[in-house]
Amino acid sequence: DVKVTQSSRYLVKRTGEKVFLECVQDMDHENMFWYRQDPGLGLRLIYFSYDVKMKEKGDIPEGYSVSREKKERFSLILESASTNQTSMYLCASNPFGGNSPLHFGNGTRLTVT
Amino acid sequence: DQQVKQNSPSLSVQEGRISILNCDYTNSMFDYFLWYKKYPAEGPTFLISISSIKDKNEDGRFTVFLNKSAKHLSLHIVPSQPGDSAVYFCAASALRAGNQFYFGTGTSLTVIP
Repeated sequence: DVKVTQSSRYLVKRTGEKVFLECVQDMDHENMFWYRQDPGLGLRLIYFSYDVKMKEKGDIPEGYSVSREKKERFSLILESASTNQTSMYLCASNPFGGNSPLHFGNGTRLTVT
Repeated sequence: DQQVKQNSPSLSVQEGRISILNCDYTNSMFDYFLWYKKYPAEGPTFLISISSIKDKNEDGRFTVFLNKSAKHLSLHIVPSQPGDSAVYFCAASALRAGNQFYFGTGTSLTVIP
């Protein structure tokens, strides 16, 4: 069974702090994704990665960066957290090529005060 | 611009009856469609998918219907159970366009005992 693990379930950070959200998957998937979920807006793609050291911008990359140094790990970085980045952050993975569902972690509820 | 739309934010159904959740899309390149279920404070869980070469896919109580000419898909849950109460997201992707997934805004289903 695919397991996607996000390091924190809840985080509270102050405005201006640098924030790291970590995600690890155990199924050797090539593709990894970061989404944020907000009420009425659904899931919006921030960044994704098809391979180690590769990254692609999603629909809302502003204010975020990512790092993929190892295949199993995909980190989301908020360079200077702002209150409008308070959200539920969801990491997902799936294998490269063909149609295959995304497998999600349990999410990180981030509050920026 | 929202490429996948769920126009009903909420739906209430009596236990034992059918739940029908609807989803519309605009991009004719989409060839893979999925439904996810999400409980509060958890990540989305994959429910069922359908590729564009089919018009129906069943898995137990869940059936997804795809109408390509209308760019419409629906999820039928029969019979509905209280444990089905959750937010349901539809999603779509296009393998030829990089397999990026696009999500709707979600429909909150309440099954009344």
